[in-house]
Amino acid sequence: LAKTTQPISMDSYEGQEVNITCSHNNIATNDYITWYQQFPSQGPRFIIQGYKTKVTNEVASLFIPADRKSSTLSLPRVSLSDTAVYYCLVGDSWGAVLAAGNKLTFGGGTRVLVKP
Amino acid sequence: DTGVSQNPRHKITKRGQNVTFRCDPISEHNRLYWYRQTLGQGPEFLTYFQNEAQLEKSRLLSDRFSAERPKGSFSTLEIQRTEQGDSAMYLCASSPKGAGGNEQFFGPGTRLTVL
Repeated sequence: LAKTTQPISMDSYEGQEVNITCSHNNIATNDYITWYQQFPSQGPRFIIQGYKTKVTNEVASLFIPADRKSSTLSLPRVSLSDTAVYYCLVGDSWGAVLAAGNKLTFGGGTRVLVKP
Repeated sequence: DTGVSQNPRHKITKRGQNVTFRCDPISEHNRLYWYRQTLGQGPEFLTYFQNEAQLEKSRLLSDRFSAERPKGSFSTLEIQRTEQGDSAMYLCASSPKGAGGNEQFFGPGTRLTVL
């Protein structure tokens, strides 16, 4: 089980870039790194996923160094509506292996507060 | 809206009563997951279905919990003899066959309060 460690909380201001780093020292060869966003009283929402190097989509970028023992979620030019909890997950590809369910471990997440 | 839906959204019950929640996944998704989330914590995995087969159950899922997905479409999660410690948000998620990594689509959840 690849345990993840994230900061408990981060504050930022509108228009700034927010970078959240997740440590996963025990990541396995088959593990992907996935980030979710969750607003109060809602289910988590998939943001981005990667295996190595850099991945970018319309919402965020994900930076993964060569050793894959950490990853950084980058949110460009945040707005007040980006205030949420962000979770880092590490686990197998479901398409390849019927992985044990405990691979889908969310942990405590990082509470990001965007101020005006 | 063709996302994952859950019913009811809120349920208040007395200790000892049985409750049942329903999840309707995205129609073409063959994988369905149940999670439990308490205040200030991340979601905890409970169980997983591929089509109608329940392939994985967490140690968190006591004998009072049972989940079904009879026709590989919607799923139900039943809690028998509810306890105050069962109070939580119950989340359902689905993903399509062949999805790489852990991209799942979550429903809005059912908030259970056990008095």
